[in-house]
Parts: sequence; structure tokens; C-alpha cells
Amino acid sequence: NAGVMQNPRHLVRRRGQEARLRCSPMKGHSHVYWYRQLPEEGLKFMVYLQKENIIDESGMPKERFSAEFPKEGPSILRIQQVVRGDSAAYFCASSATGFYSNQPQHFGDGTRLSIL
Amino acid sequence: QKEVEQNSGPLSVPEGAIASLNCTYSDRGSQSFFWYRQYSGKSPELIMFIYSNGDKEDGRFTAQLNKASQYVSLLIRDSQPSDSATYLCAVGGMNQFYFGTGTSLTVIP
Repeated sequence: NAGVMQNPRHLVRRRGQEARLRCSPMKGHSHVYWYRQLPEEGLKFMVYLQKENIIDESGMPKERFSAEFPKEGPSILRIQQVVRGDSAAYFCASSATGFYSNQPQHFGDGTRLSIL
Repeated sequence: QKEVEQNSGPLSVPEGAIASLNCTYSDRGSQSFFWYRQYSGKSPELIMFIYSNGDKEDGRFTAQLNKASQYVSLLIRDSQPSDSATYLCAVGGMNQFYFGTGTSLTVIP
């Protein structure tokens, strides 16, 4: 499967626990984006990464959220000390070139995070 | 003002009719424009993109771009029940990539 791969598809955590969401970009893509979608709402940009670099994190909450895209392995979105308001669908997208080009982003199937 | 605005709908059209979805954007420097379809509980799927003023056709879909009016639209001809979904407009500029909140389309058999 050459598409954007996200796992897990569903993740349940209790308040105060940590959530780790993984994303492997489409083959040949080196630009990764994370979005959050609340029910009945649009996609909200969180962060844009390239290998080993955070390019734009203007949409990330200042606390508890972090993201990385290491030289080897998938991109990780990490949420520490989760709260009920973190319950949402988290989508990862990738593109061949960056934000500032005309290339479209292709999305993974998302991770549905539920906080008990 | 939001960067990208869409009517949330819902928009209902009978099967076989033309569905017209509209989107306006605020950044005059925007360069790329995309339409995504999202079925309930699924991920957004790219269906069209357009970079230049005018029309671009792909099968039953036509994207229309008017940069002077900062307006982009999607027409779906011969609408089918399987077209029922939320359609997201996305606009790429120099600094970021913005999504609208989407228009919900229902095609009635």
C-alpha cells in the first residue's frame, strides 16, 4: 500500500495518560502535516514537518502536544496528559513538496482518539 | 473573517441534477485550490485541483476559479447518491494551507 498510513485507527485513553499517533507518509513524500477534526467541524491545521525538522507549528496547542518526524521511521504526534477535549479525529497528510508549492496533500485514514 | 469560507449546507439535490458548491477565500496571494470529498467517518479524498483562472473539467466534476473575485466552485453533473458527502475546499498560499469547514451534500434518489 503506497498511501499514507496511520496507526492506530482507534485509540482509547483515560484522562492523564499519553497518546501517541503514528504516520508514515506516501512513498516519495517527505512533507508531513497533522490536522485535527472535531465532530461537525472542519480540519484544523496543527503542524507541518519535514524529516528532522518542524517547519510550521502555528496550529499546535502550546502545552501537552508535540510532534516529530525522525530521520528513520514514522512521524509521531504525541499528546501528554490527555483531557476529554482532546477527543477528535487526527489526520495526517503528506505531499511531495511543501506548503508553499502547488502540490496537493494526500490524507491517511486518521486516528480516532477517545478520552474516557 | 475566516481564510476560507463555505456554506455549511446541507445542500440537497435530486439524482441527475447539477450540484454547485461554492468557496471564497481571503488571501489574494493564494495560488492553489483543491476540492476534497469526505464521507462520514472517513478521511478527505482529493477530487480536483485548479491553479489558473477558468474552468477545469474531470469527468462529472468541473472546478471553476475566479481569482479577481476570490471565488472557487465545484460543479457535479449528473449527481449520484454516492456523491452524498461533505466537500471541503482547500486553499494554498505562501504561508499556509487552509481548509473550509465543508459543505454537506445529499443527493436524493
